[in-house]
Formats: sequence, structure tokens, C-alpha cells
Amino acid sequence: GAGVSQTPSNKVTEKGKYVELRCDPISGHTALYWYRQSLGQGPEFLIYFQGTGAADDSGLPNDRFFAVRPEGSVSTLKIQRTERGDSAVYLCASSLTHSTDTQYFGPGTRLTVL
Amino acid sequence: GENVEQHPSTLSVQEGDSAVIKCTYSDSASNYFPWYKQELGKRPQLIIDIRSNVGEKKDQRIAVTLNKTAKHFSLHITETQPEDSAVYFCAASINGGSQGNLIFGKGTKLSVKP
Repeated sequence: GAGVSQTPSNKVTEKGKYVELRCDPISGHTALYWYRQSLGQGPEFLIYFQGTGAADDSGLPNDRFFAVRPEGSVSTLKIQRTERGDSAVYLCASSLTHSTDTQYFGPGTRLTVL
Repeated sequence: GENVEQHPSTLSVQEGDSAVIKCTYSDSASNYFPWYKQELGKRPQLIIDIRSNVGEKKDQRIAVTLNKTAKHFSLHITETQPEDSAVYFCAASINGGSQGNLIFGKGTKLSVKP
């Protein structure tokens, strides 16, 4: 079956602009996670959804970052007033449930803020 | 919160030799420990995982050991092949309850020389 997909694969924007990154999880997976990976680092947790609700958003760095999952499937990560420090690969992962299941990662969106 | 340390940051071995990567974690409540392999520009792929009710798990040339008392776990790759070259990440999480996000180590770049 289809894996986790993310669009766009690459996004270049200017400082101060607004961006939206999309994640399509594996069908039937109720848990969805967003991570951010900077060059040479491991993925860093941002936010976790169980169904439609954000169960844990403790990893969001500040209030410029927001994510939604209105129908419990596709999720959108939104970044306002982008800064050069936001440049990274944004990874999405999904798992069947949150409790004991493997997280499958998408290919990521490489965000570059000029 | 949880902190995961990973060593070494780089590892170079000859084809056919074994490779060992070690991780320590800080939160004794962590109970799930996956290992991901990430090739350049690709998504992280799960290669093996272990839960805290077992001490060792093996899958062909790959094995993981867990010492809950010492709070460390290790990845062992035997008979290494050039295609094993990649960055390997360990992670820890607390499954169950309201949590489930993975805390990653900084990664180990493994190079297998033919």
C-alpha cells in the first residue's frame, strides 16, 4: 500500500512569508507526528495528533508554528512569518495507534527560507 | 524530559567486519527503542526495534540489546556490506498514555569500505 506522502518535496520562501506543508498519512493510521530535521541532526519532535486533536504540541518552537488535522487524516503544518532559522527538512510520520506501533516516515519537505 | 545520547558520531569499518552503535537514555519510563537507517536525502526507515520487556532482538545480520538498569541500548550489525553505509539513529519513547513521540539521538554515520 501507499506510504506516508508529503508535499511539496521542496519549498523555497522568503523571510517573513507564510508556508503550509502537507502530510498524507498511511490510510487508517490514527496517530500522526511532525518532526523537524536540521542538517547533521536527528529528527526533533514538533507535534503529535491522535485523530483530529493535537495530543501533544510541546515540541512546537513558538507561536509562529501551528498544525491542524481537521478530518483525522491529512495534516497541514503552518509556519507564519518564516525566519532563516526555520530552514530544515520537515518530516511527517504516522502509526496505526499511538501506543505501541511503528512510526513510518514520509520523505519530508525541505524548507529553505532566504 | 527524555534525552538520548548516541555514540560514535562516525564509524568506519571494512566490509565483513561488525559495527556497534551505542545509545543511552535518561527517562526510566521509556519503554520503546527503535533504530532507523537514513540514506542521504531519503526518509528514515525502521530497521529494528525493541521493547522494554525483552533484552535482545535479532533479525538476520542486525541485533539490538537493551539494558534497562543501565539505561542503554546498542545496535549490532554483523558481516557489514557497502549498502549498510548510511546514518543510523536510535530513539526512545514512552508508549501508552498521552505520549508516543520519539526522542532521537544525533545519529551515527556508518561507512563500510569494500
